Amino acid sequence: EVQLVESGGDLVQPGRSLRLSCTASEFSFGYYSMSWFRQAPGKGLEWVGFIRTFGATEYAASVKGRFTISRDDSKTIAYLQMNSLKTEDTAVYYCTRDRGYVYFDYWGQGTLVTVSS
Amino acid sequence: QSALTQPRSVSGSPGQSVTISCTGTSTDLSGYNYVSWYQQHPGKAPKVMIYDVSKRPSGVPDRFTGSKSGNTASLTISGLQAEDEADYYCCSYAGRLVEFGGGSKLTVL
Repeated sequence: EVQLVESGGDLVQPGRSLRLSCTASEFSFGYYSMSWFRQAPGKGLEWVGFIRTFGATEYAASVKGRFTISRDDSKTIAYLQMNSLKTEDTAVYYCTRDRGYVYFDYWGQGTLVTVSS
Repeated sequence: QSALTQPRSVSGSPGQSVTISCTGTSTDLSGYNYVSWYQQHPGKAPKVMIYDVSKRPSGVPDRFTGSKSGNTASLTISGLQAEDEADYYCCSYAGRLVEFGGGSKLTVL
């Protein structure tokens, strides 16, 4: 069965960096786009960005210029590099497999990022 | 503030039907036929219930139906069951970007 496992969440100070990983298994990773989402405590879902199979990326305005999504198809891992973190970046971060336009068919369990001094 | 507007809460009794609306603009909902709906139970990851406006993934009961008219998409849940109580989010493609509604909490009375 398709599995996505996020890791790397932690407590970090404002202004610092953190890299999240999304390890995929049981599907042909290289054939799918992958997305990242987040959910602040008690709040709704927010799209962070995606990476296409050929490496093209798009980001939400709230993270553009600070976050970078990359992928290593040989390791079946998608990454979310987060720089210049702000307290408002505190959230559970999810990765997803993209089946089509806004069709996110598998989600990981999420990893918590807390930005606080 | 979310790009798509949903009612904060909806409710219904077991066996009844409820409809959750999702209103956008010409740059998202009315411009594309790419709308999806996600169900999220507390402490769990979201689950896709509808994609491409009205298509159901395998395993989703046919009690869940999606539609769209102009700049408003809707999710209708018929024959409400206790396990349908959850948060529901609409999602739309907006030309290289992805937008979500703020979420609607469904309470099964």
